[in-house]
Amino acid sequence: DGGITQSPKYLFRKEGQNVTLSCEQNLNHDAMYWYRQDPGQGLRLIYYSQIVNDFQKGDIAEGYSVSREKKESFPLTVTSAQKNPTAFYLCASSIRAGLAGYNEQFFGPGTRLTVL
Amino acid sequence: GQQVMQIPQYQHVQEGEDFTTYCNSSTTLSNIQWYKQRPGGHPVFLIQLVKSGEVKKQKRLTFQFGEAKKNSSLHITATQTTDVGTYFCAGRVYGGSQGNLIFGKGTKLSVKP
Repeated sequence: DGGITQSPKYLFRKEGQNVTLSCEQNLNHDAMYWYRQDPGQGLRLIYYSQIVNDFQKGDIAEGYSVSREKKESFPLTVTSAQKNPTAFYLCASSIRAGLAGYNEQFFGPGTRLTVL
Repeated sequence: GQQVMQIPQYQHVQEGEDFTTYCNSSTTLSNIQWYKQRPGGHPVFLIQLVKSGEVKKQKRLTFQFGEAKKNSSLHITATQTTDVGTYFCAGRVYGGSQGNLIFGKGTKLSVKP
């Protein structure tokens, strides 16, 4: 059964701790993305990766880091430098990101992070 | 920064009424995509529009892309309770970052049976 998995669904952390959110896809997609969604807001791009071992900052990359060591995996670390980390985090993938991105994005179920 | 404005933010309708959400960009878009997010769920791709003036239909849903490729709309005819959710448009600016879809803030649709 192909798709994108994110774990865990809910995550609680204390302020000042780094936390890593998992994202795995078995769709053989080249491009992967991380978005943040706040209530009443659209999706804001944190980081994206078009190919293994390469990634670019999105609009709100400060306080976040990513890695893309494998095609299937694109973990996101929320660092203690992120001032307001409580949010719903969505991972997505698409076949490829090139040519003005004429590809639909497939989203995972999301991780709801709460920092106490 | 570049923005895609979406209105209205909320829409409450009686089942059977029509619904429309609008997206507007200050700059020309290369393409626009529409997504639906059910309550508690994740966005799901509905459609993509690429050509100026393009109109596409999916059963009761009609999608339009403006002639200037700066605006788009989604119209639902005779809403049903299954249409409940938030509808997002997402556009890519010509010459913009290859990975960067700009999402509108969404229109949250509620349908009263």
